[in-house]
Amino acid sequence: ETGVTQSPTHLIKTRGQQVTLRCSSQSGHNTVSWYQQALGQGPQFIFQYYREEENGRGNFPPRFSGLQFPNYSSELNVNALELDDSALYLCASSLAGGGGTGELFFGEGSRLTVL
Amino acid sequence: AQSVTQPDIHITVSEGASLELRCNYSYGATPYLFWYVQSPGQGLQLLLKYFSGDTLVQGIKGFEAEFKRSQSSFNLRKPSVHWSDAAEYFCAVGAHSGNTPLVFGKGTRLSVIA
Repeated sequence: ETGVTQSPTHLIKTRGQQVTLRCSSQSGHNTVSWYQQALGQGPQFIFQYYREEENGRGNFPPRFSGLQFPNYSSELNVNALELDDSALYLCASSLAGGGGTGELFFGEGSRLTVL
Repeated sequence: AQSVTQPDIHITVSEGASLELRCNYSYGATPYLFWYVQSPGQGLQLLLKYFSGDTLVQGIKGFEAEFKRSQSSFNLRKPSVHWSDAAEYFCAVGAHSGNTPLVFGKGTRLSVIA
């Protein structure tokens, strides 16, 4: 186990609603990244937070937003949910920048279903 | 732009047989390369990584991978597959900068038969 915990593990929402997903990073890690994994696809980068500031963003619209807290835990918020937002959302923590200076440690994900 | 190609969507091997999963990458700089494994309904577990040095890297669960710069490949191998190896395998590439996210391939699903 990586020490990265995510909640909730499963949730169902309807179109137009808003959702908040939470992530507690591994002890000592200061960077959190969020990835979206649609069914049958590889994870796609949403954004990354380093010391409470967003320092990288993938090709996702502004209705995907996030926060990182002083204890390095993080939230992913998605507004105005669409059917295509149905996916497994993965949180990963790392020390510094992840891919460049260290590996990513993933949680088990939050599976979101939008009806 | 960086990209990762895993040419095989699904591979089936017999238990005890050898395994090779292919990964090709496109990257403008010296890459960091990773293989992750995902069991159904689970998150990603790191199998191994290549940063520099010896191009043959050893990982967990008896897996190894070889970085071939001339072929832009980082293929994953295992000499003898166990039924518990059935899972989805993802190759990923990242940068040395530290703030560049990982780019993943679409994955290869491995089935193991008796």
